[in-house]
Amino acid sequence: DTGVSQNPRHKITKRGQNVTFRCDPISEHNRLYWYRQTLGQGPEFLTYFQNEAQLEKSRLLSDRFSAERPKGSFSTLEIQRTEQGDSAMYLCASSPPASQETQYFGPGTRLLVL
Amino acid sequence: GNSVTQMEGPVTLSEEAFLTINCTYTATGYPSLFWYVQYPGEGLQLLLKATKADDKGSNKGFEATYRKETTSFHLEKGSVQVSDSAVYFCALSTGANSKLTFGKGITLSVRP
Repeated sequence: DTGVSQNPRHKITKRGQNVTFRCDPISEHNRLYWYRQTLGQGPEFLTYFQNEAQLEKSRLLSDRFSAERPKGSFSTLEIQRTEQGDSAMYLCASSPPASQETQYFGPGTRLLVL
Repeated sequence: GNSVTQMEGPVTLSEEAFLTINCTYTATGYPSLFWYVQYPGEGLQLLLKATKADDKGSNKGFEATYRKETTSFHLEKGSVQVSDSAVYFCALSTGANSKLTFGKGITLSVRP
């Protein structure tokens, strides 16, 4: 069990550029969650998938954000036309069928928008 | 909606001191409660959890009891170590989606 992995770990971009993050969940975990964490705050829910279906999206997820999990394995989170307010840590978590509420987190991708 | 309130930090203790970190919650429905820990340079790790009233979660010497009457889930440890220095988050989940609602977190520093 290699744990949840996220790539890249750090991303610096200029305002207006598009960025894409990848999350590889623990094998056999059917649920995958995305959260955003800003400095001094706890993580906030963005969206989640059960297998390949995106079942819920937070109001935090503006139209510039899109997430996919095409084959029910890895997931991508894309931010279009980045803004400075998008600077944050983006966390991915996964959970197994037998214990859906126990989420295992990846190390996160830290985004800085200049 | 759901919310979690943690005591203000940071907290600085000497090694072997007793630790209490307060956490209260507001939830629709019947939540499960969690404490997550984030060590420096690492990702969030589940420390302990409790899924029903009066349950006690425990791990690595830490304990927390699910108190429905006071809507609280305070974290305690009898004797902290320098290695316990980290950020601690209280969280809850309700409903079928199991999405987590976190508190702001509190930084604990333990000095030798």
